[in-house]
Amino acid sequence: NAGVTQTPKFRILKIGQSMTLQCTQDMNHNYMYWYRQDPGMGLKLIYYSVGAGITDKGEVPNGYNVSRSTTEDFPLRLELAAPSQTSVYFCASSEHEGRREKLFFGSGTQLSVL
Amino acid sequence: DQQVKQNSPSLSVQEGRISILNCDYTNSMFDYFLWYKKYPAEGPTFLISISSIKDKNEDGRFTVFLNKSAKHLSLHIVPSQPGDSAVYFCAASPILEYGNKLVFGAGTILRVKS
Repeated sequence: NAGVTQTPKFRILKIGQSMTLQCTQDMNHNYMYWYRQDPGMGLKLIYYSVGAGITDKGEVPNGYNVSRSTTEDFPLRLELAAPSQTSVYFCASSEHEGRREKLFFGSGTQLSVL
Repeated sequence: DQQVKQNSPSLSVQEGRISILNCDYTNSMFDYFLWYKKYPAEGPTFLISISSIKDKNEDGRFTVFLNKSAKHLSLHIVPSQPGDSAVYFCAASPILEYGNKLVFGAGTILRVKS
């Protein structure tokens, strides 16, 4: 019963490098989300998707890109890494659209940009 | 501008006693609230929720209370157990928002001492 799987768990990037954070879910959920959590702050929504081929910006989308070619996968791309992107990143999914829908989270990716 | 505030970064409680975690919000447009629990190296997991039409919701040892006039909610854990030691996030959902755009608090670290 894997749920939401994120890779890698840890990564150190140099300024200007690029990388993709992988996220896959096996619950056949249509809705997927990327959050970041900075120290002392709540989780902030970066991007979300309501189904394959459909994505939209969240609260803090600058510096990131996403794609959703399949129901299962929702990768997050950092093109030119900056120190401000040092954070813990969580991918999540939900069965239905809705403000009251509980989210299922992955275990997170801790990213440091130096 | 934190719309959801968890003013206590940490809380320490003796096993068997009550744990009370607090959450304040500023936006009167929030009408649904959720609590998530997070263990180290894991993603948050849904714990309990409450709609603004209620002032209390109970699930086993966990009870959430909502005081709309004070824009305050609290999570009570009775009795507290060492396995409850985790970070607890309060989240709020606004009305008339498309998608699941939750606003999270920064979290409270609960330590239950045996």
